[in-house]
Amino acid sequence: GAGVSQSPSNKVTEKGKDVELRCDPISGHTALYWYRQSLGQGLEFLIYFQGNSAPDKSGLPSDRFSAERTGGSVSTLTIQRTQQEDSAVYLCASSLGTEYNEQFFGPGTRLTVL
Amino acid sequence: AQKITQTQPGMFVQEKEAVTLDCTYDTSDQSYGLFWYKQPSSGEMIFLIYQGSYDEQNATEGRYSLNFQKARKSANLVISASQLGDSAMYFCAMRLNYGGSQGNLIFGKGTKLSVKP
Repeated sequence: GAGVSQSPSNKVTEKGKDVELRCDPISGHTALYWYRQSLGQGLEFLIYFQGNSAPDKSGLPSDRFSAERTGGSVSTLTIQRTQQEDSAVYLCASSLGTEYNEQFFGPGTRLTVL
Repeated sequence: AQKITQTQPGMFVQEKEAVTLDCTYDTSDQSYGLFWYKQPSSGEMIFLIYQGSYDEQNATEGRYSLNFQKARKSANLVISASQLGDSAMYFCAMRLNYGGSQGNLIFGKGTKLSVKP
């Protein structure tokens, strides 16, 4: 079956613009995660969706970052008024939702803020 | 605070030899899971192996084994019979298990493994 997909694969934007990054998890996976990978900070957790529960937003670095998950499937990560320090690879992962299951990662979206 | 430490930024190994990638973790929780992921230069994160904190036996998956020493809070990855395709970044990660409400992985900084022919 299909794995986790993300779009776009690359995004170049100007400082101050808003961007939307999309994640399509594996069908049937109830848990969805967003991570950010940058040279300086390594892999950082951003936000976590589990079923119909309220998302865990504890990793979002600022209020310019938000995410939603519609219908328990596709998720969109939105970054408003992008800054140069937002440049990173944004990774989405999904899992069956229990603590014993591995997270399957998508190929990532490379965001470059000029 | 929970933390994963990978002290080897880079490692070299000769093809067909075994290599151990170090990982130590810090948590006061009793229930947690430990994961290893591989990230080749193409960028995708590939799950390798999982060890639960209550598992008494070390996890093994093909050429990968996890040397779990709970008292020392270490979860080293052993790759046997290294292959050129094993050259990649390797990340150790931890997931806390409490109430099913926290699911994110906490990653180490990674170790870059280079396999020499």
